[in-house]
Amino acid sequence: SQQGEEDPQALSIQEGENATMNCSYKTSINNLQWYRQNSGRGLVHLILIRSNEREKHSGRLRVTLDTSKKSSSLLITASRAADTASYFCATDVPERGSYIPTFGRGTSLIVHP
Amino acid sequence: KAGVTQTPRYLIKTRGQQVTLSCSPISGHRSVSWYQQTPGQGLQFLFEYFSETQRNKGNFPGRFSGRQFSNSRSEMNVSTLELGDSALYLCASSFRGGASAGELFFGEGSRLTVL
Repeated sequence: SQQGEEDPQALSIQEGENATMNCSYKTSINNLQWYRQNSGRGLVHLILIRSNEREKHSGRLRVTLDTSKKSSSLLITASRAADTASYFCATDVPERGSYIPTFGRGTSLIVHP
Repeated sequence: KAGVTQTPRYLIKTRGQQVTLSCSPISGHRSVSWYQQTPGQGLQFLFEYFSETQRNKGNFPGRFSGRQFSNSRSEMNVSTLELGDSALYLCASSFRGGASAGELFFGEGSRLTVL
């Protein structure tokens, strides 16, 4: 079963607009990560936010974490056509003393030029 | 620093055959994880190896196996292939210096098609 679930499943916007995608998870976490995947390629790490952090920025990316609601959001500001990709959140799930990053099904973002 | 390398990138097999996929992690990374990605199930965790030991295993049948060598390179094997095994198999490496999962570095994946 999925630990994290992204919402919406698909998002289509125009270049220059902001894109917001959300992630909800089920159990307590130590950290939450966001990854990006271009079609048929490997995933690329975007940002990690720890459970004691509420907000984090990296360039045009802004991530928030609300542990009371077990949710996170990823905001991409001033989107570009090159931002077209799938975005995944990953939460660490404890397994036998270590932690396994468990991914949601992703949000497919299309940015129209 | 070279990234994670997966071979082969593409392969086609028929039902009943077996396949071996290879993953070379980033130099210095001791943890290698494998994921299966399909449109219907998303990214599913297969197993993780750390210093040649399987540390965790996902909910996959015994037809899926793996191993890690002393140089941290890893292989995964799928025996008696089924149509449903068609997927993108992703390998990810990490340093894993701490107890909590950190950033994963992914390879480009091996696209397996089972006919």
